[in-house]
Amino acid sequence: AQSVTQLDSQVPVFEEAPVELRCNYSSSVSVYLFWYVQYPNQGLQLLLKYLSGSTLVKGINGFEAEFNKSQTSFHLRKPSVHISDTAEYFCAVSASDYKLSFGAGTTVTVRA
Amino acid sequence: KAGVTQTPRYLIKTRGQQVTLSCSPISGHRSVSWYQQTPGQGLQFLFEYFSETQRNKGNFPGRFSGRQFSNSRSEMNVSTLELGDSALYLCASSSTGTRINEQFFGPGTRLTVL
Repeated sequence: AQSVTQLDSQVPVFEEAPVELRCNYSSSVSVYLFWYVQYPNQGLQLLLKYLSGSTLVKGINGFEAEFNKSQTSFHLRKPSVHISDTAEYFCAVSASDYKLSFGAGTTVTVRA
Repeated sequence: KAGVTQTPRYLIKTRGQQVTLSCSPISGHRSVSWYQQTPGQGLQFLFEYFSETQRNKGNFPGRFSGRQFSNSRSEMNVSTLELGDSALYLCASSSTGTRINEQFFGPGTRLTVL
């Protein structure tokens, strides 16, 4: 079985400051990793994904994440956030077909 | 391309009733997955369908069921509703449902059980 732990439930950050959202996973098999964002009253939107290859993955809206196999982590970063980045962020793993396992989510609140 | 659509967007039911939620995937997508999102349990996988066949199922009681039609549209049904079934139900579609395929999510149906 696989599990995902998002280490921060809430992250307040000032506009134009950097942000890092931490995600650790456990799995007995190789995994694919994803970060999704959910804006209020909306569904989930894919930010980026790691399938193979370079461990540094770039996504939409200036986000990037680094896959670290030895630390079983997939942390999400953005060098400079905007008010519009206020949302809930979910880390997810796919260790088997037909199913995603999600972390509990991290709420990012960007303040002016 | 139109995105994943879910109907209705909001639903209020009372305990003991049953409910049916609908999901229309992106055109050409044959895999549809359902997830339940609650503040306490987060996002939990319900089931996945491909070509009218359920390929995977999460740990939910038998009151939760689903089906998929030949046009890939899917419905999920919850019978004998309980207060704890209040949640946002999200549908996601992908081309094949395999691990590497991105899942595209709909806006969800918010179910409130009174």
